[in-house]
Amino acid sequence: ETGVTQTPRHLVMGMTNKKSLKCEQHLGHNAMYWYKQSAKKPLELMFVYSLEERVENNSVPSRFSPECPNSSHLFLHLHTLQPEDSALYLCASSQARTGLGNEQFFGPGTRLTVL
Amino acid sequence: AQKITQTQPGMFVQEKEAVTLDCTYDTSDQSYGLFWYKQPSSGEMIFLIYQGSYDEQNATEGRYSLNFQKARKSANLVISASQLGDSAMYFCAMREGDNYGQNFVFGPGTRLSVLP
Repeated sequence: ETGVTQTPRHLVMGMTNKKSLKCEQHLGHNAMYWYKQSAKKPLELMFVYSLEERVENNSVPSRFSPECPNSSHLFLHLHTLQPEDSALYLCASSQARTGLGNEQFFGPGTRLTVL
Repeated sequence: AQKITQTQPGMFVQEKEAVTLDCTYDTSDQSYGLFWYKQPSSGEMIFLIYQGSYDEQNATEGRYSLNFQKARKSANLVISASQLGDSAMYFCAMREGDNYGQNFVFGPGTRLSVLP
């Protein structure tokens, strides 16, 4: 596997379900990100893990819970979601604290539908 | 206030012609980086080009070039010799320099359609 991978690619869940999104990067990076992309809205940064530190966006509802067990893996745990949470969830990674020019590398995304 | 503005929700261009996608940004930092990404219908974000705030030359990467006008705070993407495969959403993004800021701010995007 190369680059940034995300599983599953598609997920349909009910509002009472609990599920997790997984992201794995094979680039040796030390920062990872979760973004939400809804129709007709800009990409919304949800969470950042950088050098073992978590930077949290306070506007993210608690029904989204990130977990970063090591620098290569990132999870997004989902529970009691709402239909408006249906979106494309993108994971990205980059090399932290080595200058401004290090771009983020994105995974293919998980298309989430909440019924 | 919007940090990244892309005023063109949609653009059309004839195949083999050049097209400019607009991006203006807002920052008080002296040190920042500007990025362009392409998102095809498959969903994956593909990095295209980077411009640093201290770079004196406009960035170029193959058919992509960045028209960087620092005083006007604009970083327009120019795609030369458009191809059908260039049809996609294009996002301008900025990383600011405070605390080696890891966070990217993305603009709303421009949907480019290349016509045969």
